[in-house]
Amino acid sequence: DAKTTQPNSMESNEEEPVHLPCNHSTISGTDYIHWYRQLPSQGPEYVIHGLTSNVNNRMASLAIAEDRKSSTLILHRATLRDAAVYYCILKGVSNFGNEKLTFGTGTRLTIIP
Amino acid sequence: NAGVTQTPKFQVLKTGQSMTLQCAQDMNHEYMSWYRQDPGMGLRLIHYSVGAGITDQGEVPNGYNVSRSTTEDFPLRLLSAAPSQTSVYFCASKRRDGAYNSPLHFGNGTRLTVT
Repeated sequence: DAKTTQPNSMESNEEEPVHLPCNHSTISGTDYIHWYRQLPSQGPEYVIHGLTSNVNNRMASLAIAEDRKSSTLILHRATLRDAAVYYCILKGVSNFGNEKLTFGTGTRLTIIP
Repeated sequence: NAGVTQTPKFQVLKTGQSMTLQCAQDMNHEYMSWYRQDPGMGLRLIHYSVGAGITDQGEVPNGYNVSRSTTEDFPLRLLSAAPSQTSVYFCASKRRDGAYNSPLHFGNGTRLTVT
């Protein structure tokens, strides 16, 4: 599986935008970029995914570089509830029987009130 | 919807004891899986199932058994617990929609300690 690199930790002030970077220089043409987050004492939850174009949903936006070797998860207005570990994951084409998601150690986001 | 429900939330076992971690989902998801999460590490896949009666191994299956008799339930069995199995266990499910991009839904985990 192609690997992703994320900073171990980041801090941001409440109510300000947050840009969480992810490098994936060995991404293949069919790999999707997925983001999950894990709030304290909870299981991971899906945030967003994309292939080539930027994506928006109610939780966040995903900006994908033109060469696809990096991406950025954008939280437009961070709240205390956004404090979590954020995982950037590459998900390649696979048959249904192998839906393995390889979770790295992610970025621990701290929100400062 | 309750989503993915795991029980118990906490469990302490002695070495050599057996137990079953329960996982149930009410979303009619065909795919279910078990992960373990150790401090400072990402989640690692233990076993998965693509439907009732079908299971397969993930990357760390040793010491664990699974079965899938219904769509809703996917229990994880530890036959003889070892201290190395101290971890937080997460169950996850997803729908089978022909696309590998439908999201995984996770339970809130079972924290297991083996002494």
